[in-house]
Amino acid sequence: NAGVTQTPKFQVLKTGQSMTLQCAQDMNHEYMSWYRQDPGMGLRLIHYSVGAGITDQGEVPNGYNVSRSTTEDFPLRLLSAAPSQTSVYFCASSPGTGSSPLHFGNGTRLTVT
Amino acid sequence: GQQLNQSPQSMFIQEGEDVSMNCTSSSIFNTWLWYKQEPGEGPVLLIALYKAGELTSNGRLTAQFGITRKDSFLNISASIPSDVGIYFCAGQGKGGSEKLVFGKGTKLTVNP
Repeated sequence: NAGVTQTPKFQVLKTGQSMTLQCAQDMNHEYMSWYRQDPGMGLRLIHYSVGAGITDQGEVPNGYNVSRSTTEDFPLRLLSAAPSQTSVYFCASSPGTGSSPLHFGNGTRLTVT
Repeated sequence: GQQLNQSPQSMFIQEGEDVSMNCTSSSIFNTWLWYKQEPGEGPVLLIALYKAGELTSNGRLTAQFGITRKDSFLNISASIPSDVGIYFCAGQGKGGSEKLVFGKGTKLTVNP
């Protein structure tokens, strides 16, 4: 099992560009989520999904879109990148039942200039 | 929203020393989790706690779910250089994984 796979590992964007961060899991997990990690801020929830076709906003959703057309994939879209979106992004998944712990990918380091 | 206060923010210790870090909250949680993050990687689950008062070990690591359900601590005994990393606590209230709240992390440095 690969677990949670994120691509790319690194990305540099110019302000105003768009891009999609990919996340795939092969554990048949119902719940998937995106976090951003900034120095001194810990992990903050951007968007999450409790199953295919269902998404919802987390703590810091502005500037990001998500969709969940399959159980395996949960891409995160930046429609118009801003320097404030420079961060490390983590995708995580869990079986979604009760208190199941999250499994994290290895992250995408995004720099917006 | 719910917040976790994790302390200390950073620790510099000598190899062989014991380490203790904790998380507190004004809210009650049903689950406490402890994760470790190494440079360039995502957080990895170390210990999960599901019941107030629960004390669980994973090798040299021991974590406890506070009786009040508002706190948890993690101890590392006889630290070694590979313990270096950032340790995060996370608390989960009622509901699913979307209710998980993370502390800001404790950065551990171990000098050989």
